[in-house]
Amino acid sequence: KAGVTQTPRYLIKTRGQQVTLSCSPISGHRSVSWYQQTPGQGLQFLFEYFSETQRNKGNFPGRFSGRQFSNSRSEMNVSTLELGDSALYLCASSLVADTDTQYFGPGTRLTVL
Amino acid sequence: AQSVTQPDIHITVSEGASLELRCNYSYGATPYLFWYVQSPGQGLQLLLKYFSGDTLVQGIKGFEAEFKRSQSSFNLRKPSVHWSDAAEYFCAVGPTGGNEKLTFGTGTRLTIIP
Repeated sequence: KAGVTQTPRYLIKTRGQQVTLSCSPISGHRSVSWYQQTPGQGLQFLFEYFSETQRNKGNFPGRFSGRQFSNSRSEMNVSTLELGDSALYLCASSLVADTDTQYFGPGTRLTVL
Repeated sequence: AQSVTQPDIHITVSEGASLELRCNYSYGATPYLFWYVQSPGQGLQLLLKYFSGDTLVQGIKGFEAEFKRSQSSFNLRKPSVHWSDAAEYFCAVGPTGGNEKLTFGTGTRLTIIP
């Protein structure tokens, strides 16, 4: 079974631009979560989607948004990019329940100049 | 609020030596605990997990972890490390019952010397 895939793997943007990242979960998984990883803040939870609905949201500004499609694929969008948004963005999928194990993708490395 | 503490930022061990990475958690109920490993530039790979039952959990790559409720700890161990074990290791607790799906520790970077 294929793992979690994320595209693109690398992105370079400039301040003020917006960006969309994509995540395809493991086949059959219906929950997708997004995390931001930075050297200073570590791994922080952004949000989780299940059956096209946002279930949980971390403590991030409204510039960070996401959505999930009927095939469970998910996208996250960051508008009005700031230098501090430079990070590794990780997507994780799990089957259904809160206690299910999350499996992570390789991440998208976003650099904001 | 839930939290995870990994007190060791960086550990260096010799190849073939034993390893123990520490993890302490704060959680109001019975926690679900995980250890993930991350190689440079890569995503997180699940090593093992504890949900309930036997407090000694076996994982992949020869790793094991022991859940000790009295000490709020979930330390990761390996009897003999290999150079390929060099990576960053994260302990996590979840679900948290709040907005967080998983709460991660700050990670321990493991260096292996010949």
